Formats: sequence, structure tokens, C-alpha cells
Amino acid sequence: SQQGEEDPQALSIQEGENATMNCSYKTSINNLQWYRQNSGRGLVHLILIRSNEREKHSGRLRVTLDTSKKSSSLLITASRAADTASYFCATDGKAAGNKLTFGGGTRVLVKP
Amino acid sequence: GAVVSQHPSRVICKSGTSVKIECRSLDFQATTMFWYRQFPKQSLMLMATSNEGSKATYEQGVEKDKFLINHASLTLSTLTVTSAHPEDSSFYICSATIRSNTEAFFGQGTRLTVV
Repeated sequence: SQQGEEDPQALSIQEGENATMNCSYKTSINNLQWYRQNSGRGLVHLILIRSNEREKHSGRLRVTLDTSKKSSSLLITASRAADTASYFCATDGKAAGNKLTFGGGTRVLVKP
Repeated sequence: GAVVSQHPSRVICKSGTSVKIECRSLDFQATTMFWYRQFPKQSLMLMATSNEGSKATYEQGVEKDKFLINHASLTLSTLTVTSAHPEDSSFYICSATIRSNTEAFFGQGTRLTVV
């Protein structure tokens, strides 16, 4: 079954605005990760947040994790046209044998 | 970060032929690599876990004889799509981790088109 579900499926914003996307999962996790994928390319790792962490920052990225709600959010501040991509959350945990299970992804379009 | 190289990036083959895709970890040893399949505008679906020196572990619904995986060294895993059919056309991506419970490094992906 799909471990991670993402919301929204697609997001269109103007350059300079913030973009927020959410990820929900079903079973206990060790870590939750966010990845970015440009069209037709491989995935690039953005942030890893461990199950005992609540918030993490990296540059213009902010990730939160609420294990009680089994959800995470990714915030991209001051978006740029180059941020246009698909963003995926991925979880690993004992239920999945420590394999990564990906959410459906959020397609973000940043208009210049 | 670590680099995973996947080759070829694009391949077109005739129906009934076999295609081999390579996944190499360039600057680290990967005892475990993962193979995913991705349909347009969809998420990644794990196909199999490739273990160095042993048989791959396939996910439910993935045909072992159709998608042959070989992980003969600590830096190379190959996926062979045998007797390819048009429905096998997809984007295939590999990944590897240096240690468990850490970030995964992905190859560039291979766009397979079977005609």
C-alpha cells in the first residue's frame, strides 16, 4: 500500500511566493525524507528528518514532522522559477523493511 | 554528495529484445541498490532490492524472470528487461545508500521505449 500521500498534487505560484506541500503516512517510521525531481531526471535529496525531530531547515527549505499525526510538511520560501519540479516525500521504517516508500508527489510550477 | 551513475539515459528497442541498464556507485561502495519504475506524472514504485553477492529481492507483482537483476560487485548493479514489450516502456531509476537509514542517491534514470 502507498505509505506516503501528498497534498496538493499540483501547485502553481508566482516567483517570490512560498510553496507548502504536505505528506501523510500510515505506519511508524525511522526517517522521512524529501526529494526533488526535475522532469525526466533522477531524484535529488533535499532533507532527511528523523522520527525524533520536529523541524529542520536547509537554506530556503523548512521541513516539519508531526509523528502523532503521521504527517510532514515542506515549505519552500521565496520561490524561484528554478524551483519548478516535482517534490516527493519518502519514508522508511520497520514495516517496509527499511526500504524507501514514496508518496505520490507534488508538482510545483513557479511562474516568473 | 555521493554519485550514482545510470546508463543509458535513453534507449529504444524492438519488441521481443532485451535491454540492460547499468547502475554504478562512483565514489562509494553500495552493498544494496534499489530499482524503481516510474510512469508519467506518477510516483516511484519499488521493483526490487539488489543485494551484492546474493539474489535480488523482488516486490510483489514484479516478475523475476522479466526483470533480471545482477549485483556482481559493490559498485555495479544491472537490470535487464527481457523480451521487452511496449507495456514495459517506462522510466527506470536506481538508487543506492551508503548506510541504512540515510539519504539515498539516485541515478539519472533510463527512459525505455519499446516499439
